[in-house]
Amino acid sequence: DTGVSQDPRHKITKRGQNVTFRCDPISEHNRLYWYRQTLGQGPEFLTYFQNEAQLEKSRLLSDRFSAERPKGSFSTLEIQRTEQGDSAMYLCASSRLAESTDTQYFGPGTRLTVL
Amino acid sequence: AQTVTQSQPEMSVQEAETVTLSCTYDTSESDYYLFWYKQPPSRQMILVIRQEAYKQQNATENRFSVNFQKAAKSFSLKISDSQLGDAAMYFCAYRSAWGGSEKLVFGKGTKLTVNP
Repeated sequence: DTGVSQDPRHKITKRGQNVTFRCDPISEHNRLYWYRQTLGQGPEFLTYFQNEAQLEKSRLLSDRFSAERPKGSFSTLEIQRTEQGDSAMYLCASSRLAESTDTQYFGPGTRLTVL
Repeated sequence: AQTVTQSQPEMSVQEAETVTLSCTYDTSESDYYLFWYKQPPSRQMILVIRQEAYKQQNATENRFSVNFQKAAKSFSLKISDSQLGDAAMYFCAYRSAWGGSEKLVFGKGTKLTVNP
């Protein structure tokens, strides 16, 4: 397995702009998760997919956030009309349903800075 | 809703010594999983150890072991023979088992410093 990859690793944008992040899970992992981590905090759950279906969304995922996983492989997370409060590390994780504990494996994250 | 509390924002240990990181959680569920993740500076989060709540035996992975006290809702991590590479943020996490949410609920983390 090559591990979970995320792109870009860093993104600087101006307030009001739209940004999109990509996550490629470990091959054959059918579950994919997005988390947000702010400085000094643990990651907070945003949403998760099983194959292409988005099965759970956090109340943190406002209307400006949208996530997709169109073919059950990679996923994108889009933030529209970014705000300074969106500055954070966005983490992606994947897991395989067949594993008894369904352990989540994390990517390196995308660090977003909104100016 | 489940919560995870790590009461030690920072800990330090001398190289080759043993350190214990604390974690408590709150849940009304009887079946769940607990995890310790390590996040080195500017590097990705990796799994250290996991524990199934239905198992009474404490999990062990090489120098890492846990003390799982289900009644007390406590899940501490012991690192033996600490190495410089153990320096990182350590996060305790909870996940529901059957029929519950698939999300991980994390504590705020403990920053571990290893002194040579």
